[in-house]
Amino acid sequence: NFMLTQPHSVSESPGRTITISCTRSSGSIASNYVQWYQRRPGSSPTTVIHEHNQRPLGVPDRFSGSLDTSSNSAFLTISGLRTEDEADYYCQSYDSSHVVFGGGTKLTVL
Amino acid sequence: QAQLVQSGAEVRKPGASVKVSCKASGYTFIDYYVHWVRQAPGQGLEWMGIINPSDGTTQYAQQFQGRVSMTSDTPTNTVHMELSSLTSGDTAIYYCTKELREHRFDPWGQGTLVTVSS
Repeated sequence: NFMLTQPHSVSESPGRTITISCTRSSGSIASNYVQWYQRRPGSSPTTVIHEHNQRPLGVPDRFSGSLDTSSNSAFLTISGLRTEDEADYYCQSYDSSHVVFGGGTKLTVL
Repeated sequence: QAQLVQSGAEVRKPGASVKVSCKASGYTFIDYYVHWVRQAPGQGLEWMGIINPSDGTTQYAQQFQGRVSMTSDTPTNTVHMELSSLTSGDTAIYYCTKELREHRFDPWGQGTLVTVSS
């Protein structure tokens, strides 16, 4: 089994840009798709990025996803931060027999 | 539009079992796998396992092997997740979610709070 490691929390001001990392412990980050989910308090998770860098319909283009194979990491970037972006963000990937979530990153927009 | 509606909150004593249901609508039930994921208080999302509603085949996360059972009822478009030998560590919100493709989960049920307390 592999693990996905995220920073516990990140904070930034409205209008700025943040990047959340998700590092895979073993196996290539590029070998299986990475998804990113947003979870607001009291709500179920929703997809903000799927298949590494694809945005679902309705997700603003302020959200983007990328990979860096040299650090074996995936990244979620949110630009033009808004207060409604304040939430927990989880990366997720898989291998042949397991689904793995990162520990989650709490984004505070202050 | 695809939707998953889960059963209501449950309270159980340690050692008991709980069964949570997840009713699907708005799509062809047997065409998509359903996964179960939980979130304990202050913790992250934890994958529990997957069921193929068309034939009932399952795969469970190792930490739940022997304690979890997932079943499907095609006439009612419902999947069930039963967890036994409950401890306080099983207190969590339990979600069902449909695998759209390539292990992308969408949508998610509204969640079912299971509280284990003596």
